[in-house]
Amino acid sequence: SQKIEQNSEALNIQEGKTATLTCNYTNYSPAYLQWYRQDPGRGPVFLLLIRENEKEKRKERLKVTFDTTLKQSLFHITASQPADSATYLCALYTGGFKTIFGAGTRLFVKA
Amino acid sequence: DAGVIQSPRHEVTEMGQEVTLRCKPISGHDYLFWYRQTMMRGLELLIYFNNNVPIDDSGMPEDRFSAKMPNASFSTLKIQPSEPRDSAVYFCASRSTGMNTEAFFGQGTRLTVV
Repeated sequence: SQKIEQNSEALNIQEGKTATLTCNYTNYSPAYLQWYRQDPGRGPVFLLLIRENEKEKRKERLKVTFDTTLKQSLFHITASQPADSATYLCALYTGGFKTIFGAGTRLFVKA
Repeated sequence: DAGVIQSPRHEVTEMGQEVTLRCKPISGHDYLFWYRQTMMRGLELLIYFNNNVPIDDSGMPEDRFSAKMPNASFSTLKIQPSEPRDSAVYFCASRSTGMNTEAFFGQGTRLTVV
């Protein structure tokens, strides 16, 4: 069956360190993958998109990698700050304009 | 643009009652999505529309759920009759045509069925 898996455990890191979040999927062949941020009581907000033919994408302190062989994406936040604390969702575009989301990983950055 | 607007923000209703959730997408966006979010199941796609036409409703859990989009600026998600297990946060999102454009989400409606 088709699955998108993200770390169900919350990730706790110290301010200034790099946070790395994982997204694994099975039985999908996505044309692209997106990462969203969700704060409590709010809807998800788009952060980054990476296409299947791209290995890496960067935006300010954010970096995303996409390995279609491993069926995995890694999302990095460098020099993390307490304001980066949120839930991060990965999403796959599966064709037909359907976007399917993972359950998300909660990140806590301690000052 | 004010973004995707959903109403109400919170809804508490008794089991068996009809519930209607509303969404106004961003002007010019031709795709509209309804999602449901729970702790157990995460963010699930229920149905999506393109140019007001339902394209895929395979995520709608039961016949008790129905969605309409009578025009480009308005959509409803209706649950009739509601059950406690329908309690969740329901999000509406919209996007424009293009392979790589992101979805813009509303603030969500927190539904509690007692």
